[in-house]
Amino acid sequence: AQSVTQLDSQVPVFEEAPVELRCNYSSSVSVYLFWYVQYPNQGLQLLLKYLSGSTLVKGINGFEAEFNKSQTSFHLRKPSVHISDTAEYFCAVSEASSASKIIFGSGTRLSIRP
Amino acid sequence: DTGVSQDPRHKITKRGQNVTFRCDPISEHNRLYWYRQTLGQGPEFLTYFQNEAQLEKSRLLSDRFSAERPKGSFSTLEIQRTEQGDSAMYLCASSPSAIGAPGPQHFGDGTRLSIL
Repeated sequence: AQSVTQLDSQVPVFEEAPVELRCNYSSSVSVYLFWYVQYPNQGLQLLLKYLSGSTLVKGINGFEAEFNKSQTSFHLRKPSVHISDTAEYFCAVSEASSASKIIFGSGTRLSIRP
Repeated sequence: DTGVSQDPRHKITKRGQNVTFRCDPISEHNRLYWYRQTLGQGPEFLTYFQNEAQLEKSRLLSDRFSAERPKGSFSTLEIQRTEQGDSAMYLCASSPSAIGAPGPQHFGDGTRLSIL
């Protein structure tokens, strides 16, 4: 079985500052990794995904994440945040062999201060 | 690509009533998923379909819950004899069939269920 731990429930950041949202996962099999963003009263939107290959993955809205197999981490980063990045961010994992259900972390609320 | 559509967006009902939600996936997607999200938590997997076949069900899906996808297109999720603990956002997602690398799951905006 897989599990995902998002280490910070809330991250306050000033506008134009860099941000890192931390994510660790646990799995006994190969996995695919995802970051989703959720704006208030909306569904989830895929930011980026790691399937294989390069461990540095670039996504939409200037976000990127790095897969670290030895540390079982998949941290999300952005060099300069904007007010519009205020949202809930979910790290998620899916078993590579079946690529069916996604297991989500509990989320990190990113709040941007002007 | 019109996206995943869910109906209704909000549902308020009294405890003990039955409710049914509908999900229309992206037309060329043959996989359809249901998740439940409670306040302050990430979505939890409930079940998924490949075409009309229901391939996996979570233990969260009690006997009061049933999902169908009769023609491999839209899906319905029914909750019978609703309880307070059923209050949540119910999310639907769809994706292309996973041969090799999976297509990403596209989520609808959800149906928010409130039990009085």
